[in-house]
Amino acid sequence: AQTVTQSQPEMSVQEAETVTLSCTYDTSESDYYLFWYKQPPSRQMILVIRQEAYKQQNATENRFSVNFQKAAKSFSLKISDSQLGDAAMYFCAYRSISNFGNEKLTFGTGTRLTIIP
Amino acid sequence: DAGVIQSPRHEVTEMGQEVTLRCKPISGHNSLFWYRQTMMRGLELLIYFNNNVPIDDSGMPEDRFSAKMPNASFSTLKIQPSEPRDSAVYFCASSTGTTRREQFFGPGTRLTVL
Repeated sequence: AQTVTQSQPEMSVQEAETVTLSCTYDTSESDYYLFWYKQPPSRQMILVIRQEAYKQQNATENRFSVNFQKAAKSFSLKISDSQLGDAAMYFCAYRSISNFGNEKLTFGTGTRLTIIP
Repeated sequence: DAGVIQSPRHEVTEMGQEVTLRCKPISGHNSLFWYRQTMMRGLELLIYFNNNVPIDDSGMPEDRFSAKMPNASFSTLKIQPSEPRDSAVYFCASSTGTTRREQFFGPGTRLTVL
């Protein structure tokens, strides 16, 4: 079974600075998807960014980018120019694609990000 | 376009009562997921459907929990009888099943069982 580990329960960053959230995972599969979801106080789960394991290029979405290290099974999220609206819980998630039809997401325990004005 | 719709947003009930949570997926999505979020266990998948058929229900905690998807636009998660340990936020999510495979989440139902 796959596991996802987020070792930082809480992080804080000064507004406009850059912060990196860590995520590691354990799998025996060679192909899969990885996601970062954001959960603000409204509790809505919002997709931030996704990465296909077969792609070597790191995904980017505006101020959000990932550092995907497949061999190390590491998938960190970098937030540049942090804004107050980035304050939220961030969840890393894994999805297998080798088991066709099984779309189950396995989540990490989350990192609470605080933005300091 | 409307996102995933869940009702009710909040539910407070007494132990032993039946609870029914409802979900309407995004139109055109053929996969639907029920997740539970608690402080102790985090986010965990309870069950998911593809084309209205249950594919993986290994996360359903026990026989008190049941889920149905009678058509492509509606699903229910029922707890009978409810217990205080069922208190959690229950999320419904849907996806298209295309190569993008993103799951779009509803706002969640916060359930409190007294």
